[in-house]
Amino acid sequence: DADVTQTPRNRITKTGKRIMLECSQTKGHDRMYWYRQDPGLGLRLIYYSFDVKDINKGEISDGYSVSRQAQAKFSLSLESAIPNQTALYFCATSDLRGNTQYFGPGTRLTVL
Amino acid sequence: DQQVKQNSPSLSVQEGRISILNCDYTNSMFDYFLWYKKYPAEGPTFLISISSIKDKNEDGRFTVFLNKSAKHLSLHIVPSQPGDSAVYFCAASVGAGNMLTFGGGTRLMVKP
Repeated sequence: DADVTQTPRNRITKTGKRIMLECSQTKGHDRMYWYRQDPGLGLRLIYYSFDVKDINKGEISDGYSVSRQAQAKFSLSLESAIPNQTALYFCATSDLRGNTQYFGPGTRLTVL
Repeated sequence: DQQVKQNSPSLSVQEGRISILNCDYTNSMFDYFLWYKKYPAEGPTFLISISSIKDKNEDGRFTVFLNKSAKHLSLHIVPSQPGDSAVYFCAASVGAGNMLTFGGGTRLMVKP
């Protein structure tokens, strides 16, 4: 079984809809991250959490919110989706040292 | 403004030859660098890293070189194999374990 899982893997939605992307991990890591990937821009950090009570904004947090429900679960929400949020979204985890991040398989989100 | 840049969006190499992927950075505070590999429909996976106290790190067929004065790092793959065909991202952080800043990626194609 995969250590970091993301659901759904693909989602098509309409402008204005609320969307939640979920991430679960079995690695026992405290740190979790949400990134988006756009062509030519690499991965950009949206939010990160160092433990259940800790939530921090990343480089591009506007239009997004997160919830850390448990050590193993970190969800990303788009309250009112817009077309320029069409992207590939990745969840990642790392241990306390944080030297290496382990990524989930990604969610491809299309906002029409 | 992107602090980590991979100026070649794609690279094509013959099997058995050397692949050289390049990465430039602008933030002089970056002192820890990583390379990730990404196959289609999968998340990025960690490949190799280097601390600024070194100028070279080797792991099997993969070697990363760091030129701090030029703010440049490169990944050498020797010999290249068709299974190396993927997108490669370089990433940098201020201190190991801190937030990663990614480059835009280079798509490597190794032809049999």
